Amino acid sequence: ETGVTQTPRHLVMGMTNKKSLKCEQHLGHNAMYWYKQSAKKPLELMFVYNFKEQTENNSVPSRFSPECPNSSHLFLHLHTLQPEDSALYLCASSQERDFGELFFGEGSRLTVL
Amino acid sequence: AQKVTQAQTEISVVEKEDVTLDCVYETRDTTYYLFWYKQPPSGELVFLIRRNSFDEQNEISGRYSWNFQKSTSSFNFTITASQVVDSAVYFCALSAVQGNQFYFGTGTSLTVIP
Repeated sequence: ETGVTQTPRHLVMGMTNKKSLKCEQHLGHNAMYWYKQSAKKPLELMFVYNFKEQTENNSVPSRFSPECPNSSHLFLHLHTLQPEDSALYLCASSQERDFGELFFGEGSRLTVL
Repeated sequence: AQKVTQAQTEISVVEKEDVTLDCVYETRDTTYYLFWYKQPPSGELVFLIRRNSFDEQNEISGRYSWNFQKSTSSFNFTITASQVVDSAVYFCALSAVQGNQFYFGTGTSLTVIP
């Protein structure tokens, strides 16, 4: 099993759809993250969960709703998205409160029509 | 404020040439970590190196080397004798003291031409 697995890898949805992105980590880490990667922009941190508790929410619109049922799983629920939300969504994990490296999944490429 | 700047958006080199990717950072923290990640076309960011703010020793790992200079707030990455497989987007990142917060640069897209 790879360290961080994201599904689906590709997703196309209309603005009225509801979908979810899933992330699973097999590394025993306690912190999980959602990042948004758009062209020509730095990676944007969206949410951070530490021991299943949300510790960061970087002014993300409410049409993105995270869920962390346990330390190994992280979801990003999507509803009524806008075309500008089209991007690569990356999940990552790390040890809690450590300066260790982030371990990333391969990302979910989202296209909003 | 924390910030990472990668001024080079795209670089192309011919195979076997050496190439240096620049990274300049800003932070008020005295304790921080710097990272380089590689993002191949598959999308996954792959960790390359971590360096803490108290260790300015340069590091070499095979064809990769890193030059950390606090005086200029730079953490540059050099690939020696580049190969086609080195083609990817490379990100420099800064990890701040407070919480699990990483700050990424905009990335440098490297193309190695055979």
